[in-house]
Amino acid sequence: SQQGEEDPQALSIQEGENATMNCSYKTSINNLQWYRQNSGRGLVHLILIRSNEREKHSGRLRVTLDTSKKSSSLLITASRAADTASYFCATDTAGNQFYFGTGTSLTVIP
Amino acid sequence: NAGVTQTPKFQVLKTGQSMTLQCAQDMNHEYMSWYRQDPGMGLRLIHYSVGAGITDQGEVPNGYNVSRSTTEDFPLRLLSAAPSQTSVYFCASSPSAGLETQYFGPGTRLLVL
Repeated sequence: SQQGEEDPQALSIQEGENATMNCSYKTSINNLQWYRQNSGRGLVHLILIRSNEREKHSGRLRVTLDTSKKSSSLLITASRAADTASYFCATDTAGNQFYFGTGTSLTVIP
Repeated sequence: NAGVTQTPKFQVLKTGQSMTLQCAQDMNHEYMSWYRQDPGMGLRLIHYSVGAGITDQGEVPNGYNVSRSTTEDFPLRLLSAAPSQTSVYFCASSPSAGLETQYFGPGTRLLVL
């Protein structure tokens, strides 16, 4: 079964607005990563947050991690049309296997 | 560096045929993995390798074999293709197992008739 589940499944916003997507997972993790996938392409790593971290920033991205709730959120501020993509969270449990969620499809309308 | 490369980009097979999906990386990464991506299912781990000569099963290994004779190459073999194996396959690599960014190839789209 899937370790991670993203919410919402799809999100449509206007350019300039913020986009927030959430990830929930089932078991204890070593770290959690967010990836982006443009249509028809491979996944690209965005950010990694370790289990002992609560918040991390990278440019317009902000990731939070709440291990007590087994959840993470990805915030993209001041969205652009180029941010249109699917976003996946991935968790690392045993250290050798990554589990990906089902993804959030983000559409940014110019 | 070319990063992670996959061939072919697209393949059509008939049920029962066998084939090998190629994956290569030129970053001297120890960890390599294969995923399949189906609509609404996200990515699921098929097999992975933590180094040359070492492979292990992931979440959905049935119907697939792998080998890792060199650090660079990690081919995925479909022994007898089934329509349920129609999917997009991604290979990924990272410097070591766990706690590392994975670098993905562009994918192979497989259709089994």
